[in-house]
Amino acid sequence: DTEVTQTPKHLVMGMTNKKSLKCEQHMGHRAMYWYKQKAKKPPELMFVYSYEKLSINESVPSRFSPECPNSSLLNLHLHALQPEDSALYLCASSQEGSGGSYEQYFGPGTRLTVT
Amino acid sequence: EDQVTQSPEALRLQEGESSSLNCSYTVSGLRGLFWYRQDPGKGPEFLFTLYSAGEEKEKERLKATLTKKESFLHITAPKPEDSATYLCAVRDNYGQNFVFGPGTRLSVLP
Repeated sequence: DTEVTQTPKHLVMGMTNKKSLKCEQHMGHRAMYWYKQKAKKPPELMFVYSYEKLSINESVPSRFSPECPNSSLLNLHLHALQPEDSALYLCASSQEGSGGSYEQYFGPGTRLTVT
Repeated sequence: EDQVTQSPEALRLQEGESSSLNCSYTVSGLRGLFWYRQDPGKGPEFLFTLYSAGEEKEKERLKATLTKKESFLHITAPKPEDSATYLCAVRDNYGQNFVFGPGTRLSVLP
């Protein structure tokens, strides 16, 4: 099973709202990722958690706050977003570790609209 | 800095008309090159990992090959359901992030 699940599928929020995106995988993968994708562009890396520790933060504005409660779960907390933050938000995971493989498996994404 | 380019940007094929997509890369020590398929509004679907020059992988109508500077995704006798954006990405030996190419939008007409 190579499934990564994401909730919600769609989210509409105002600029003063606080919301969270959730991601879950049960493949025993030790790295999890958040990406942002705009229309007709490739995914753009936001954060990487490796062994439940934040290992990469690609200079993302503080209105995006990641959290990794355990090795299977990844959250992205959203606050005071701007309309330009509207995009498809993708979660991914990879096995890592010695002898592990490095391909990332992506979830279906959350379509976020900021009004 | 790792870089990935893909060509063509868009490709229209008739059903059954075989072709190839190109992914050119520069990377300081290749950990892996990855091909994905992405349908509109959905997450990328993993297709192949290639680790070293000369390696080839096949899956149904798709075959991926790798040299020291580029990778090709060969599509044999495509069907309309092969229409999608095909993304190429590389990972180097020094970090965990993927560098994605801009993608090739493939349309296969019946």
